[in-house]
Parts: sequence; structure tokens; C-alpha cells
Amino acid sequence: AQSVSQHNHHVILSEAASLELGCNYSYGGTVNLFWYVQYPGQHLQLLLKYFSGDPLVKGIKGFEAEFIKSKFSFNLRKPSVQWSDTAEYFCAVNVYKAAGNKLTFGGGTRVLVKP
Amino acid sequence: GAGVSQTPSNKVTEKGKYVELRCDPISGHTALYWYRQSLGQGPEFLIYFQGTGAADDSGLPNDRFFAVRPEGSVSTLKIQRTERGDSAVYLCASSFSELETQYFGPGTRLLVL
Repeated sequence: AQSVSQHNHHVILSEAASLELGCNYSYGGTVNLFWYVQYPGQHLQLLLKYFSGDPLVKGIKGFEAEFIKSKFSFNLRKPSVQWSDTAEYFCAVNVYKAAGNKLTFGGGTRVLVKP
Repeated sequence: GAGVSQTPSNKVTEKGKYVELRCDPISGHTALYWYRQSLGQGPEFLIYFQGTGAADDSGLPNDRFFAVRPEGSVSTLKIQRTERGDSAVYLCASSFSELETQYFGPGTRLLVL
């Protein structure tokens, strides 16, 4: 079974700082990769996803993620954060073309951006 | 259109009681998922429906948990003889088909006293 680990539980940074959140997964086969975000008081929503092709994926709100197959990683980045990026971020994977598309999530990283 | 809705938003019950949690997916979405999120953790998969049938229930923790989707739309997650360890946020998600993006509802926060 696949598993996902997110290295940081909490990140605190100031506005305009750069953000990088780590995500590693364990599964020997082909996977689809996702980053979800949960803003305070809101639903989980999709930031970006990787299915195939260019390993550098652009998402909403200026976020991007890079899939490095050799490192089993899918790190999330944003060059300059804003106060509104305060949220909890979840990395998730599912097995490529497996029936059901069930997601396996990491434990999440809480990001606090100080104004 | 409207997103995934879940009711109730909060549920407090006593140990040993029976609870039902409801999920109303986005109209036209054939795939429906239930996840459970305990405090400080990411969501964990419980069960997946494609249409009316439970295609994968491998995440249900034990036989106290059961879910139905009789008409291929609304789903109900049922928990019998609740235990304090069942306290969590129960999330529902739906997608147009099983390979499409999952859209999550706001969750039901269950507290078992």
C-alpha cells in the first residue's frame, strides 16, 4: 500500500517569503499526485495535480510543484507568499489507473503567514 | 452549481449510540467517496461508490461502519455502537467519474462522549 509523508507539521513565515513544502510517497508503481489546501473554515480544495507529462506543474494562486520520480517526491513551492496563503496543505497520491481513484493523504502542513 | 453538501455539520452523541451522516454529491457525479480525518492528521479513505454499488470498502475500520447509496446520488454513512475513538471529521467527496478530480464537502464533525 502507498503512504505519504509531509516533513513539516507547521511552517511560519512572513509575507513575501518563499515557501517550499516537502512531500514524499512510497509506492513502486506509477502514481498520480495532488496537493490540496484547506483555508480556515473552508473545504478541502485542489491546488494542483500531476498525472503525466511535464514534471513541473503549475496550479492556482501562483503555486507550483515538481515531481522528481527518482526521489519519490512532489514538493510544493510558491516564490512569494501572501497572508491569504495561511492554510493547511495536504499532499495526496493515488495509484495510476487503479479502480476507484482513492486518495492517500499525508498528515498535512499548517502554514501561517505573518502580515 | 452547488458543491458537495453534508449534514449535519456537527453531531454530538453518546458512546454506544447509532449515528447517520449524510452526503449530497454534486449533481451528475457518479463517484462518491467517504474519508475520515482525525485531529492533526490527513484524511483517510473509508469507502468508494461508483453509482449505487460500493466498489471499494477496504477503508472501513470494522463492521460497525456501513454506507449506502441506494439511488446513486445521496449517500449515508452509518455508525453503530459508537465509540469515543470514532470522534473525527467525516468528509465526503464526489467526482464526475472515477478518474476525475474529487470535490470535497465541508465535513461532519462527530463527537462521541
